[in-house]
Parts: sequence; C-alpha cells; structure tokens
Amino acid sequence: DTEVTQTPKHLVMGMTNKKSLKCEQHMGHRAMYWYKQKAKKPPELMFVYSYEKLSINESVPSRFSPECPNSSLLNLHLHALQPEDSALYLCASSQFDTGQFFGPGTRLTVL
Amino acid sequence: GQQVMQIPQYQHVQEGEDFTTYCNSSTTLSNIQWYKQRPGGHPVFLIQLVKSGEVKKQKRLTFQFGEAKKNSSLHITATQTTDVGTYFCAAHPNNDYKLSFGAGTTVTVRA
Repeated sequence: DTEVTQTPKHLVMGMTNKKSLKCEQHMGHRAMYWYKQKAKKPPELMFVYSYEKLSINESVPSRFSPECPNSSLLNLHLHALQPEDSALYLCASSQFDTGQFFGPGTRLTVL
Repeated sequence: GQQVMQIPQYQHVQEGEDFTTYCNSSTTLSNIQWYKQRPGGHPVFLIQLVKSGEVKKQKRLTFQFGEAKKNSSLHITATQTTDVGTYFCAAHPNNDYKLSFGAGTTVTVRA
C-alpha cells in the first residue's frame, strides 16, 4: 500500500466549532507531517512527527493541535479557527529524508 | 534559514516544445527533491537527487543537480497536455526532517 489517506475531503466549520482531520499511512514510514497550502503557494510545514513524537512545530498557533496515536495515524485537532485558516491541509509521510508521500488533502473553509 | 529560489514562476508552453525550470540555493544542499502538483491535486514526489552533478531521467523529464550542489533543474522535452501543473523543487536542511519548498513553476500548455 503506497497511499496516504485523509478524511474528510472537504470541511466547512464555524469559528466556534471543534473538528479533527485524520491521516493514515501503511507504508511503515516513521515520519509524518502536516502542511498548510494556500492557493498558488507551496506547501507550508506545520508539524513533523518522528517515531510518533513531535519533533518540529513551526510556531503554529495553539488552535491547531496535532496528535499521533500510533505509527500509522496522524490527527490534527482544530478549535476556534479564523477565516484566514481556510486552506488545503495536507498530510505526508516519509522514511527519514527521502521523498514525501502526500495525501489528497482536506479542503477547509472557516466561516 | 535555507531558502530555495525557483524560476520561472509561470511557463506557458506550446505543445511539443521543451522547457526548463530552475532551482537555486545560496547554501550547499544535502539533496534536492522535485514534486508535481496537478490543478486541484496534491504534490506527488517525482525524484530525489543526492550526488554532485547527478543527472536522472524519467521518460521526457531530465533532472540535474549542480556540481556545487547549490542548484538544480528540471527539463521537459516535447511537452504534452499531461505535463500541466505546478512543479516544486524542495530541499532538506542537514539533519532535519523539514522540507523547504521553492515557490513552484506553474506550467500551462497550448494545444
């Protein structure tokens, strides 16, 4: 299985809602990532998990809370988001510094 | 921090013609990766270059890593409509999972 899956594909939420994005991979990759991508821009790194431990947090606001329950799963918990947080949220996985495999993303709209 | 500069930002190509996108860094890179993102899609890993002067080919795509490991190029011959999308180069700072993306080259093809 060489696929990274993400759910949901689309999400619309209000600024007071709490929601979660989910990501799963079964390639045995030990590094997993969350990226945010705005239109016509490159992916912007948010978090990196290595061996299920948070290794990089790119100064992301606390309204974004990552979680890595096990080596195959990665969650991103969302709370009290702002309209400017609307974007494509991409999950990726890799084996150390080799190529990263991206999921299809969750297109998030914050009203 | 390390920045990867990519040019051109846009490339409008006649079907059947060749084009090249370039990636440059002010610092020596440990490796460089290339990704393709189709409109509405997610980044897809194409290749990783590691060695100085390395050249790799994938059908009509030729990837090159400079001798000083500070620049890279992607050359596409006989462009087809399937080549439409945004091509990103990306590089790893040493001993870090963080991937730094170039701004991307968005390619459109005139039939």
